Amino acid sequence: SQQGEEDPQALSIQEGENATMNCSYKTSINNLQWYRQNSGRGLVHLILIRSNEREKHSGRLRVTLDTSKKSSSLLITASRAADTASYFCATLRMDSSYKLIFGSGTRLLVRP
Amino acid sequence: NAGVTQTPKFQVLKTGQSMTLQCAQDMNHNSMYWYRQDPGMGLRLIYYSASEGTTDKGEVPNGYNVSRLNKREFSLRLESAAPSQTSVYFCASNPGQGAGTQYFGPGTRLLVL
Repeated sequence: SQQGEEDPQALSIQEGENATMNCSYKTSINNLQWYRQNSGRGLVHLILIRSNEREKHSGRLRVTLDTSKKSSSLLITASRAADTASYFCATLRMDSSYKLIFGSGTRLLVRP
Repeated sequence: NAGVTQTPKFQVLKTGQSMTLQCAQDMNHNSMYWYRQDPGMGLRLIYYSASEGTTDKGEVPNGYNVSRLNKREFSLRLESAAPSQTSVYFCASNPGQGAGTQYFGPGTRLLVL
């Protein structure tokens, strides 16, 4: 079964608006990662946040992590049409398996 | 650097046929992974190799075998393909034993009739 679940499943916004995606997970984690997938392509790593971190920024991306609620959010500010893609969270569990568990993703459409 | 490469890009098989999906990385990474992605879903781990010479099962290993041929190459074999194995297969690699960023190949689309 999948560890992470994203919310919403789909999101449509206007260019220039902010997009927020949420991820919930079930077990204790080592880190949480966000990936982006353009249609028909492989996944590209966006950002990694460790379990002892609460917030991280990278360009227009802001990720928060709340380990007490077992949840994370990805905020994309000032969205562009080129941000249209699917976004996945992936969690690395606190065991020795080093296996990433992916959620089912949020499909983001940014309308020009 | 080419990064992670996968061959073939697309394959059609008949039920019961066998095939091997190839993956290679030129980044000197230790860990390599095979995932499958079904429509509208995230990735599910089939097998992984934390280092050269080792392989371990992931979430959905049934019907698959893997070989870590050397540090660069990690192949996935379907011995007797079934329609349920129709999917997009992604290979990924990680510099260490697996705790950080994974780098993905472009994927192989497999259709089993």
